[in-house]
Amino acid sequence: AQSVTQPDIHITVSEGASLELRCNYSYGATPYLFWYVQSPGQGLQLLLKYFSGDTLVQGIKGFEAEFKRSQSSFNLRKPSVHWSDAAEYFCAVSDSGYSTLTFGKGTMLLVSP
Amino acid sequence: EAGVAQSPRYKIIEKRQSVAFWCNPISGHATLYWYQQILGQGPKLLIQFQNNGVVDDSQLPKDRFSAERLKGVDSTLKIQPAKLEDSAVYLCASSLDMRDEQYFGPGTRLTVT
Repeated sequence: AQSVTQPDIHITVSEGASLELRCNYSYGATPYLFWYVQSPGQGLQLLLKYFSGDTLVQGIKGFEAEFKRSQSSFNLRKPSVHWSDAAEYFCAVSDSGYSTLTFGKGTMLLVSP
Repeated sequence: EAGVAQSPRYKIIEKRQSVAFWCNPISGHATLYWYQQILGQGPKLLIQFQNNGVVDDSQLPKDRFSAERLKGVDSTLKIQPAKLEDSAVYLCASSLDMRDEQYFGPGTRLTVT
């Protein structure tokens, strides 16, 4: 069965600093990988996805993620964090595109002034 | 384009009572999902509909949870009787078809006392 581990429950970053959120997955074949963001009282919004091809994928709001098969990782990065990025971030894996998503437990991002 | 609508946004009930949640997906979306998100965890799929048929309900606790999508549009999720451990946010999502991007509603926060 597929699974996702997000080792950091909370992360605090200063505004303007760089950000990296970690995600490790467990899946036998090539997975479909996703990052979602959830702001308070809001549903999940898709930031970016990896299906195949270039292992560095660009998303919305200036986010990017890199798929590393050898490390079973799909870490999310942003070069300069804005206060509006404070939210909870979820990594997800699927074996069939957008369907059948398995989510990690999430990482809460706090942005300090 | 209107997003996924859910109501109510908040609900507080006592254990052993029943409760129902309503979801109106994006117009034209054939696939509808219900997720349960317990505090501190990622969303977990409860049930997936394709039009008015069930595709996957393997993680739905069928002794107390039920869901329907009678006309292939709106959907209701019911819990009867509720337990303390059912306290969670219930998210509805829809997609154009089964392998398309899922769009999430804002969720219904259920508190069982």
